[in-house]
Amino acid sequence: QITLKEAGPTLVKPTQTLTLTCTFSGFSLDKSGVGVGWIRQPPGGALEWLILIYGDDARRYSPSLNSRLSITKDTSKNHVVLTMTDLGPMDTGTYYCAHRPEGPGDFFQDWGQGTLVNVSS
Amino acid sequence: DIQLTQSPSSLSAFVGDRVTITCRASQNIAHYFAWYQQRPGKAPKLLIYGASTLASGVPSRFSGTGSGTDFTLTISSLQPEDSAIYFCQQTHSAPTFGQGTKVGVK
Repeated sequence: QITLKEAGPTLVKPTQTLTLTCTFSGFSLDKSGVGVGWIRQPPGGALEWLILIYGDDARRYSPSLNSRLSITKDTSKNHVVLTMTDLGPMDTGTYYCAHRPEGPGDFFQDWGQGTLVNVSS
Repeated sequence: DIQLTQSPSSLSAFVGDRVTITCRASQNIAHYFAWYQQRPGKAPKLLIYGASTLASGVPSRFSGTGSGTDFTLTISSLQPEDSAIYFCQQTHSAPTFGQGTKVGVK
């Protein structure tokens, strides 16, 4: 059984940096075709993909947020860490990490429960 | 970016009705396409990938068709538990999602 869980602050001040950790189990992030991605959703809004890291350490970034995002993995701890800089109120929402299975296409088979982040002073 | 236009934005139908949601991509994405269901307060759940492959554990009343730029999700016989928001996603390049379709059951 594959599980993922997000952890991090619920409240962040504008201009600060957000760091979220995804802890997963049930798969290994050491194959080139396997990945973990981050997707966010503003309250009542649509899904927005942010970033993806693959087992071979390759990365894929949202073109619109590229300059603000970074991602790392720790295969021994089954962790993936997302960092987003210079937060603003528009970054408020629920942040999900998700498992990208091996195979064609970057879709997300398993999702964490999500963590709500509020950007406010 | 590849843009996705999803329609309708909302619909309401009776139990047992056939329901269709469509999604149009701004360029040819072959079969690189997925559909998700999101119930209130929950994370999205994968329904369909590769445009037409049913994800594990998903009821057979859900089906996906299409290729290129036009894609369809069909619920053959709507059930009360299908009340949710449905999102499409292109998986061809930097992933993008549609705006969602809210499905209500009368």
